[in-house]
Formats: sequence, structure tokens, C-alpha cells
Amino acid sequence: AQKITQTQPGMFVQEKEAVTLDCTYDTSDPSYGLFWYKQPSSGEMIFLIYQGSYDQQNATEGRYSLNFQKARKSANLVISASQLGDSAMYFCAMRGHDYKLSFGAGTTVTVRA
Amino acid sequence: NAGVTQTPKFQVLKTGQSMTLQCAQDMNHNSMYWYRQDPGMGLRLIYYSASEGTTDKGEVPNGYNVSRLNKREFSLRLESAAPSQTSVYFCASSEAGERGRRTEAFFGQGTRLTVV
Repeated sequence: AQKITQTQPGMFVQEKEAVTLDCTYDTSDPSYGLFWYKQPSSGEMIFLIYQGSYDQQNATEGRYSLNFQKARKSANLVISASQLGDSAMYFCAMRGHDYKLSFGAGTTVTVRA
Repeated sequence: NAGVTQTPKFQVLKTGQSMTLQCAQDMNHNSMYWYRQDPGMGLRLIYYSASEGTTDKGEVPNGYNVSRLNKREFSLRLESAAPSQTSVYFCASSEAGERGRRTEAFFGQGTRLTVV
């Protein structure tokens, strides 16, 4: 069974600073996809970034980058130059065998002015 | 472009009542999912459907049934609601694709269900 672990329930970050959100996963599949989603207080789920298990480069999308360490089975999200609008819950997710998409427990980020 | 549409948005049930949460997507996706979200527990997969005509249990299927009516629609039924089923329910859909391909899921707005 695949398992996603996010060990940081909550984090505070100063505006304009970078923050790293941890995510580790467990799977026996050789091919899988890793995703990060943002959930603001309004409740919608917003896709941020994707990393495929065979991708040679770490994924980047604007201020979001993914620090992918395949051997360690970690896929940490880095948000650079934090903004007040980045305050939200962030979820790591993985899609592996059977196309099941599983999520971690999430990390709440609060950006301070 | 509607994306994923869930109905209703809010619902209050009495213990023992039944109801069906409806979900429809207009993106021609093969895979569809139902999740529940509880404080501190993230999104837990209830059921998913990799393609039309197939459904599989997720982490927390007990107390729920699903129907993949056609490619567009995936409904979630609570036969006899219990207070433990008070939660926010999300439906999502994605392309099937190969496992390593980018196939992000698109989510509905959620249904806030309270069972009293």
C-alpha cells in the first residue's frame, strides 16, 4: 500500500522568505507521480506542481519548486519569496499502481507580514 | 468550463437517513475519486474509479457505496448515515494516463455534510 507522510502540521514563515514543506512517500511501484496541492481557507483544492518518478530534473512552477530525492523517497515543496496569499494548507499526493491518488495529512502554512 | 461539479454543497442528515452525493465532470476524464476531509487527517480516499464500469475501495470505504453511472458521473451513497460520517466530501477526476505521466486531479468545490 502506498503511504504519504507530511510530518509538519504547521509552519510559520516571514513574508518574502522561502519555506520548505516536507513529504516522504512509500511505494514499491517503479513508476509513479507526485503532486502538491494548495487548499486556502475557502476550501478549494488548487494543483501546484507535478514530479514524475522518471523525471531527471526537479520540477519548477513559478515560485514553487520540488526537491525530489528518489532514493530517499522524498518530494519536498519549496515556496520561494512567500506572500501573504500563500497562507493555506498544503498537501502532498502520490499516484501509483491502480491509478489510486493518495494524500498526506497536510501542512498548514501561515505567512507573517 | 464547469470542470467538476458536486451537489449538494451543504447537507444536514439525521442519523440513519440515506443520501446520495452527486458528481459530474465535463473533461472526458477516465478516473474519478471520492474523498473525505477531516481536521488533521488530510484527504482520505473513500472509493475511486479508474475507468467507466470499474470501482475500487480506497482507505475508508465502510458505510459508503458508489456508482460510476457513465464516464461523466460518479455518485457516492450513504445508506444509513452516522455522526462519524460528518465531514467535507470532495469529488475529483483526472486523466488515466500512464502512472508516471502528469495527470493532476481536478476537484469539485466540496460538500459539507453534517450528521446529527
